[in-house]
Amino acid sequence: EAGVVQSPRYKIIEKKQPVAFWCNPISGHNTLYWYLQNLGQGPELLIRYENEEAVDDSQLPKDRFSAERLKGVDSTLKIQPAELGDSAVYLCASSLSWSASGEPSRTGELFFGEGSRLTVL
Amino acid sequence: GENVEQHPSTLSVQEGDSAVIKCTYSDSASNYFPWYKQELGKRPQLIIDIRSNVGEKKDQRIAVTLNKTAKHFSLHITETQPEDSAVYFCAALSLGQNFVFGPGTRLSVLP
Repeated sequence: EAGVVQSPRYKIIEKKQPVAFWCNPISGHNTLYWYLQNLGQGPELLIRYENEEAVDDSQLPKDRFSAERLKGVDSTLKIQPAELGDSAVYLCASSLSWSASGEPSRTGELFFGEGSRLTVL
Repeated sequence: GENVEQHPSTLSVQEGDSAVIKCTYSDSASNYFPWYKQELGKRPQLIIDIRSNVGEKKDQRIAVTLNKTAKHFSLHITETQPEDSAVYFCAALSLGQNFVFGPGTRLSVLP
């Protein structure tokens, strides 16, 4: 079974340019996450989807970041315009939620993609 | 909200020795505690996890212990090997909430 797929793996852009990242979660996983990971730090949540619904976007800088998850499967994360401080790795992850698995014991196993490394010049 | 602290931030051990990484969490409702290993330039990968209904779990050279009363959990790696060198992240999750990750521990296993 394919894991979480992200693209592009690497992106270099000038500041003020737009950029978009794409994520395809593991089949059947209804929960999708976008995380930001700065060098040497742990992943920090940007947004969490349950199916098509963004259930937590409190940490998403909405003035420049946007995300969507059409049909509750693939997701895109967009930054417009990019700033120097946005240079980081953007990780997508997916998991089963309790409501989907029907078993509390199945909740939580989180699977990450390889990440998209953004460099803003 | 949940806050996860992790210590130490860096750890060097000789090959064959044991390594222990400790995490504390703040939300008593958290009930799932995974550990992830991230090699340089690669994705974090789950190596072991524990749920709040057990106190210890072991998988070959890796074990995790959980003390719910004290709200801390630890990763134990025995007989360390050079390929264990990586950054390790702990995390905590409560039902309906988000994973909160610790800041990571960079483990170096010296030959």
